[in-house]
Parts: sequence; C-alpha cells; structure tokens
Amino acid sequence: QKEVEQDPGPLSVPEGAIVSLNCTYSNSAFQYFMWYRQYSRKGPELLMYTYSSGNKEDGRFTAQVDKSSKYISLFIRDSQPSDSATYLCAMSEQQAGTALIFGKGTTLSVSS
Amino acid sequence: GAVVSQHPSRVICKSGTSVKIECRSLDFQATTMFWYRQFPKQSLMLMATSNEGSKATYEQGVEKDKFLINHASLTLSTLTVTSAHPEDSSFYICSARDPAGGISYNEQFFGPGTRLTVL
Repeated sequence: QKEVEQDPGPLSVPEGAIVSLNCTYSNSAFQYFMWYRQYSRKGPELLMYTYSSGNKEDGRFTAQVDKSSKYISLFIRDSQPSDSATYLCAMSEQQAGTALIFGKGTTLSVSS
Repeated sequence: GAVVSQHPSRVICKSGTSVKIECRSLDFQATTMFWYRQFPKQSLMLMATSNEGSKATYEQGVEKDKFLINHASLTLSTLTVTSAHPEDSSFYICSARDPAGGISYNEQFFGPGTRLTVL
C-alpha cells in the first residue's frame, strides 16, 4: 500500500461547479498537509497548508484534514477555467524535517 | 513568495552523455534543497535532499553515482545525470526551503522543472 493515495482522474466539471479533491494516507505520523497546483510542464505551487486536523479557508479554496480517518480534502467553490490544472496533495511528519510525500495528483478540467 | 529557477528548462541528449541541471534560489538563501523526479501521470518522487556544504542524502533506490548532487552555495544546487540512458528521461524538479520565510518552516518553493529526453 502506497503512503499517499490520490485518484488521478481526470475530473471534468462545468464552470461554477464545486470541486472536491481527496487523498487518503496510511502514515499516522503525518502532521503537515499541503495542496499544490501544477500547470502542465511547470513546477508545483503551494495552494493550501494545514497543520493537524481541521479546516482552513482561503478565498474559493477550503482544505479539510481528518486525521482520525487519514483523509484530506480540497474544495474549490465557483470553479473557473483557470483552475484547470493538476492538484497534488502532499504531507510530511515534521515541520522542519523530512521532505514531502506526494500523491499522484488529480487532473482537473473546468469548462466554460 | 520566494522564487526558484532551474536551467535548462528542456534538454535533449544522446545516450551515454552527462547532463547538468542547475537549481537556484533567486531571492533567498536555501540551506536545504530537494530534487524530485516526475514521470508522466505519476507523482513527484523525492530523489535526494541536498544540504549546503555537505553530502546529499539519497532516497532508497536512487543511484548516488549516477545522480551527482552538489550544493556548493546557499543559492545553487546542481544535479548531474551521468551516462544518461533513455530510461532517465523524465521531468526533474528542484525545490528549496526558505528558513526565513514562507508560511511555515516546512514550505518548499519549487522550480519550474527541467524536461530531460535521452535519445
């Protein structure tokens, strides 16, 4: 079993839809959870960062972490064509320690 | 946010040659840089962690003699793929940690990546 599981999609939605992206993980020591957005042939850019369980909201984006279920989510409200990209979840055990463990990424396409 | 650059953005080489990829932190000093490899439709896989002034730490399964990493300064790390073969063709991405900035000490800023094609 891989440490981080993420459905690669692709996921296609119409403009304005609410998008839900998810990852599950097996390592209970993970404490730091991140969502990155990666456009084609570009490096990832950090979207959301969460420590431990809970919710975090930033504009149209909401990140949720449920450590008891080892499940994290990213919600995108009022999706736009510019949101079309690959979304990668990433996590780590320590704040200043090991490198990130990434999911495979989910490819999202928002049509206008 | 902090900016990380990579050079070249794309390289095509013949099998058996060596290729050097540079990763630079442009507006901060990075004591730690990471090198990842990403195959099509796959996740980023960590290859090695590079600390300024010391030897890189390689992940299990990554050949240290094939993928040479040098982190000679606080703003530059290089990855040299020696005797490249077609199976080394991939997207190589570096990241750098800015200990003085970012939203947390763990935030990594990624470069734009280098696409290597070995013929």
